[in-house]
Amino acid sequence: DAGVIQSPRHEVTEMGQEVTLRCKPISGHDYLFWYRQTMMRGLELLIYFNNNVPIDDSGMPEDRFSAKMPNASFSTLKIQPSEPRDSAVYFCASKKGQGIGTEAFFGQGTRLTVV
Amino acid sequence: KQEVTQIPAALSVPEGENLVLNCSFTDSAIYNLQWFRQDPGKGLTSLLLIQSSQREQTSGRLNASLDKSSGRSTLYIAASQPGDSATYLCAPNNNDMRFGAGTRLTVKP
Repeated sequence: DAGVIQSPRHEVTEMGQEVTLRCKPISGHDYLFWYRQTMMRGLELLIYFNNNVPIDDSGMPEDRFSAKMPNASFSTLKIQPSEPRDSAVYFCASKKGQGIGTEAFFGQGTRLTVV
Repeated sequence: KQEVTQIPAALSVPEGENLVLNCSFTDSAIYNLQWFRQDPGKGLTSLLLIQSSQREQTSGRLNASLDKSSGRSTLYIAASQPGDSATYLCAPNNNDMRFGAGTRLTVKP
């Protein structure tokens, strides 16, 4: 497997524009996580899905953020409208089930800059 | 909500030293705990996964221990090398997976 794939790797956008980040989890993994990483706040869990269903979105900072998982092989994180304080690295991770063998794997991240 | 603390925040050691990184967590009802390393500007790389039923897990020069009841895990690195320089993060696994702030390790040649 190619691992968790995120796109784009880098995104520069103007304040007020819509931004969509994409993630393809590892095939067969049924949990998907979205994180945001900044120097000030570290690695924050934004939302996670199980079997394509959002389980906990309490980490989503505001209504400007939304996430979807239309099928087992694709998820999006959307920011609309974007603001400079959204600048961060956004990571996606996936894992299989709970119990034995539930090692989580991360994508390479999307570095978002909002100017 | 699970809260994770890692001590020390930063550590600088000469090459060859053995060292211990500490991780504590508030909710002991975990399935397992995973240790990662992150190099500057890169993603997270999994180092070790230790199941809740295990006390220790080893991979090469790395050894992770878990005391689930007390909410603690340690990562032991033997004979440290400059290539070990990175930030080390732990993540206890409930249904979600939350992280501490990490320990930034520098190994000097």
